Amino acid sequence: GIQVEQSPPDLILQEGANSTLRCNFSDSVNNLQWFHQNPWGQLINLFYIPSGTKQNGRLSATTVATERYSLLYISSSQTTDSGVYFCAVGPMNRDDKIIFGKGTRLHILP
Amino acid sequence: NAGVTQTPKFQVLKTGQSMTLQCAQDMNHNSMYWYRQDPGMGLRLIYYSASEGTTDKGEVPNGYNVSRLNKREFSLRLESAAPSQTSVYFCASSLQQGAKGNTIYFGEGSWLTVV
Repeated sequence: GIQVEQSPPDLILQEGANSTLRCNFSDSVNNLQWFHQNPWGQLINLFYIPSGTKQNGRLSATTVATERYSLLYISSSQTTDSGVYFCAVGPMNRDDKIIFGKGTRLHILP
Repeated sequence: NAGVTQTPKFQVLKTGQSMTLQCAQDMNHNSMYWYRQDPGMGLRLIYYSASEGTTDKGEVPNGYNVSRLNKREFSLRLESAAPSQTSVYFCASSLQQGAKGNTIYFGEGSWLTVV
């Protein structure tokens, strides 16, 4: 099945810093989403982005489908950005089977 | 509009006991999912249902059964619980498989401990 790898696994930053999280996937996808899991365990969808670029406030994401990777950018980090960021993909041949990477744990220091 | 609702939120089981996790969504979504989350493992797909009346195995289906009772409800059953099934379980739903803008919405999770 499709493999999803996220990097880095852990990231500690000072408030105000910028960060880039990466998601590599091993096969063509028809569905790619980024999620944030807050410290209370709640999973929130950030972007649906199987290709192209989107922006939402301080967050933006870019997926280069032909090269099988996606990037999540967080600018001017705030302590509320802390948590785990997950990339999830649906492979082209079975885009109903949404598979998650292991996540990047982000800790923003005040 | 409650979104995706899971019950129970917390449960302790003894090895060998059975239980059912209930999930309901009120967004008229076609697809529903069950994931488990273990430390350092991300979320792993247990079973999913593309539409009412259909179910498919995910990455880690062993030890579980599911029922798509109707369009709103998707239950997960542990027939004989094992300590390895101690985990946080998430139910999720999406409007339609493969469709553009097919955002997944998650419930708040169910913490299950098997002793």
